[in-house]
Amino acid sequence: DSGVTQTPKHLITATGQRVTLRCSPRSGDLSVYWYQQSLDQGLQFLIQYYNGEERAKGNILERFSAQQFPDLHSELNLSSLELGDSALYFCASSASGGTGANVLTFGAGSRLTVL
Amino acid sequence: AQSVAQPEDQVNVAEGNPLTVKCTYSVSGNPYLFWYVQYPNRGLQFLLKYITGDNLVKGSYGFEAEFNKSQTSFHLKKPSALVSDSALYFCAVRDGDMRFGAGTRLTVKP
Repeated sequence: DSGVTQTPKHLITATGQRVTLRCSPRSGDLSVYWYQQSLDQGLQFLIQYYNGEERAKGNILERFSAQQFPDLHSELNLSSLELGDSALYFCASSASGGTGANVLTFGAGSRLTVL
Repeated sequence: AQSVAQPEDQVNVAEGNPLTVKCTYSVSGNPYLFWYVQYPNRGLQFLLKYITGDNLVKGSYGFEAEFNKSQTSFHLKKPSALVSDSALYFCAVRDGDMRFGAGTRLTVKP
């Protein structure tokens, strides 16, 4: 157990629907990152939050949004889902300083299947 | 913007032989470089990192990586491969956010 918790583990839904993926970072970590892993595009950086504020944005579609709450958990919202959104979505967290800084700890992922 | 490239999709080695998984990077400043490993149906696990200091970095499970500034490379190595090392390996660079390479699938055959 890495300490980063992602729910749900598996999700099957239909095109056009909306889903929310949830991530609880490792205790004490202030940064949360979201990544999408699909077979043909590897691991794509979506977005990073630090202590509730958006820190960096990557290849995140406009149909996707995220936020980090005061208790530091984060949610990734995916709307108007398309078949191509089927992928593994990973959350990772990192410490703000010390020897663990810069090292990402990943959750087990949420596998989204869009039918 | 920073990026990493892993030129090999697949690396096959025999158990007991040395292994190398290649990575090259592109970053504007001093690179923060990382290797992660992913086993089936699992999240990525941190192996090692280079921030500064010795060019040879030692990490988990007997892996090490050599930072080469002139060749902008950060190859992952292990002197003697194990079947249990078979997994997907990712090189990553950090310059603000963390960007990953496409991954290299390592297969170690008995």
